[in-house]
Amino acid sequence: AQSVTQLDSQVPVFEEAPVELRCNYSSSVSVYLFWYVQYPNQGLQLLLKYLSGSTLVKGINGFEAEFNKSQTSFHLRKPSVHISDTAEYFCAVNRAAGNKLTFGGGTRVLVKP
Amino acid sequence: DVKVTQSSRYLVKRTGEKVFLECVQDMDHENMFWYRQDPGLGLRLIYFSYDVKMKEKGDIPEGYSVSREKKERFSLILESASTNQTSMYLCASRTGTGVYEQYFGPGTRLTVT
Repeated sequence: AQSVTQLDSQVPVFEEAPVELRCNYSSSVSVYLFWYVQYPNQGLQLLLKYLSGSTLVKGINGFEAEFNKSQTSFHLRKPSVHISDTAEYFCAVNRAAGNKLTFGGGTRVLVKP
Repeated sequence: DVKVTQSSRYLVKRTGEKVFLECVQDMDHENMFWYRQDPGLGLRLIYFSYDVKMKEKGDIPEGYSVSREKKERFSLILESASTNQTSMYLCASRTGTGVYEQYFGPGTRLTVT
């Protein structure tokens, strides 16, 4: 079985400051990793994914994430946030040979002016 | 453009009622999923379907059933709604092969009184 832990449930951050959202996973097999964003009153939208290759993955809206196999982490970063980045962010893993995504509990980002 | 739609954005039902939540995708995807989203718990998989008339239990199937009679439509059924089923319900779909990205609908916020 796999599990995902998002270490921060809420992250307040000022506009134009950097932000890092932490995600750790556990799995006994190879996994694919995802970050999704949920804006208020909307469904989830894919930010970025890691399938293989370079461990630094760039996504939409200036976000990037780094896969660290030894630390089983997939932290999400943005160097300078905007008010519009206020949302909930979910880390998820999918076994390489499976159908199902396992989600973390989510991190709510509140960007303050 | 990819599209997953859900029949209602908001729904209020009484305890004991039978509730149908419908999801339609226009991408000819083989796999469809139903999740519930609760604060701090992220998304938890209720059921998924990998083909017409085929289904598999997720992590929390108790109190729910599903139906998939056509490829594009996946229904979630609450046989006898209870207050602990008050939640946000999200539908998703993905192709059966290749990249594992799931596409999400906007969600249905169900309140059971």
